[in-house]
Amino acid sequence: DAGITQSPRHKVTETGTPVTLRCHQTENHRYMYWYRQDPGHGLRLIHYSYGVKDTDKGEVSDGYSVSRSKTEDFLLTLESATSSQTSVYFCATNGGDTEQYFGPGTRLTVT
Amino acid sequence: QKEVEQNSGPLSVPEGAIASLNCTYSDRGSQSFFWYRQYSGKSPELIMFIYSNGDKEDGRFTAQLNKASQYVSLLIRDSQPSDSATYLCAVTGTASKLTFGTGTRLQVTL
Repeated sequence: DAGITQSPRHKVTETGTPVTLRCHQTENHRYMYWYRQDPGHGLRLIHYSYGVKDTDKGEVSDGYSVSRSKTEDFLLTLESATSSQTSVYFCATNGGDTEQYFGPGTRLTVT
Repeated sequence: QKEVEQNSGPLSVPEGAIASLNCTYSDRGSQSFFWYRQYSGKSPELIMFIYSNGDKEDGRFTAQLNKASQYVSLLIRDSQPSDSATYLCAVTGTASKLTFGTGTRLQVTL
């Protein structure tokens, strides 16, 4: 499991509130990724990071921002949560090879 | 056209049979191909990867790649009820990013 943890594991929040999800890895992997998974859409990349302070957008980045101030931590922020952001969020890492390993996921519900 | 396509299933096979899962992709430049297994409510788990044309075997699993046809498949021999899960096909693009199919649900019946 590449030593990946995500917090919180479950969260319910109200529309319009900011939310931050945390991904922590212990493998010193360079690359980190945030995905969301929704029925009928599969896994879609939100943002990714290729090093400390180096991030880029994925295919569904609108409404999300990320930060990576340390190799081990990658934060995903929903600036103002909307119901369309209700989803399961997965963090993944790889160390430079192409295989990605996933964290346990965070189930987010926006009411 | 979706970049990575899989039949959503469910694919139902009897215990002990061979399950064949298929995936097609659109980007001819893709170099690496992955199969993940995902149990309901859990995270995806990497089970196979393949880079070269042909077959790659690992235990009961065989991945097959045909770049000319843009086709990758996963065979599961001697299917067990514990193999019942959703299988995700993934293909690399730039910056080590993966594009996933929506997955095929496999049901192994007793």
